[in-house]
Amino acid sequence: KAGVTQTPRYLIKTRGQQVTLSCSPISGHRSVSWYQQTPGQGLQFLFEYFSETQRNKGNFPGRFSGRQFSNSRSEMNVSTLELGDSALYLCASSLQGTGTTEAFFGQGTRLTVV
Amino acid sequence: AQKVTQAQTEISVVEKEDVTLDCVYETRDTTYYLFWYKQPPSGELVFLIRRNSFDEQNEISGRYSWNFQKSTSSFNFTITASQVVDSAVYFCALKFSGGYNKLIFGAGTRLAVHP
Repeated sequence: KAGVTQTPRYLIKTRGQQVTLSCSPISGHRSVSWYQQTPGQGLQFLFEYFSETQRNKGNFPGRFSGRQFSNSRSEMNVSTLELGDSALYLCASSLQGTGTTEAFFGQGTRLTVV
Repeated sequence: AQKVTQAQTEISVVEKEDVTLDCVYETRDTTYYLFWYKQPPSGELVFLIRRNSFDEQNEISGRYSWNFQKSTSSFNFTITASQVVDSAVYFCALKFSGGYNKLIFGAGTRLAVHP
């Protein structure tokens, strides 16, 4: 069974640009969550999608957005990039919509903003 | 408020030593879930264990063991006879009942196991 796939693995963007990251969850998993990991702030929750609906959102500005498609694949978008957006972005896939299941993570997309 | 504290930033041990990683959590929920993840240099978070708040039984899996104590709000992780391959950053995380699949992570503990 394939794991969580994130693309691209590495990305370099310029300040002011926008970027779209993709996540394909484990087959059959309907919940996809996104996290930002930085040395200063650690791992922070961005948002969660379940059955194409955003159920939960972290404390991030509106420049961070996402969506989920009918096949459960998810994308997150960051507009008007800032230097502080440089981070490892991790996607997590969960089978169910409740808290009883564990999340499985992809290898992440490392975004560098210059 | 929900919070996870991993007070140990870095731990360095010599191979075959036992090592315990501490995790203290805060939540007012009576139903919650605790997790440990391992992050090797490749970046992927590898799931190690999930514990439900209503199950305080300790667990052992090979060289790994976990001690869950609600009285002290702790969920500590012990590696017995550590190996170089155990070198990684370890994260403790909390999921509360009203948060769907949102995980609240501790700051992580970097474990270095030297030959």
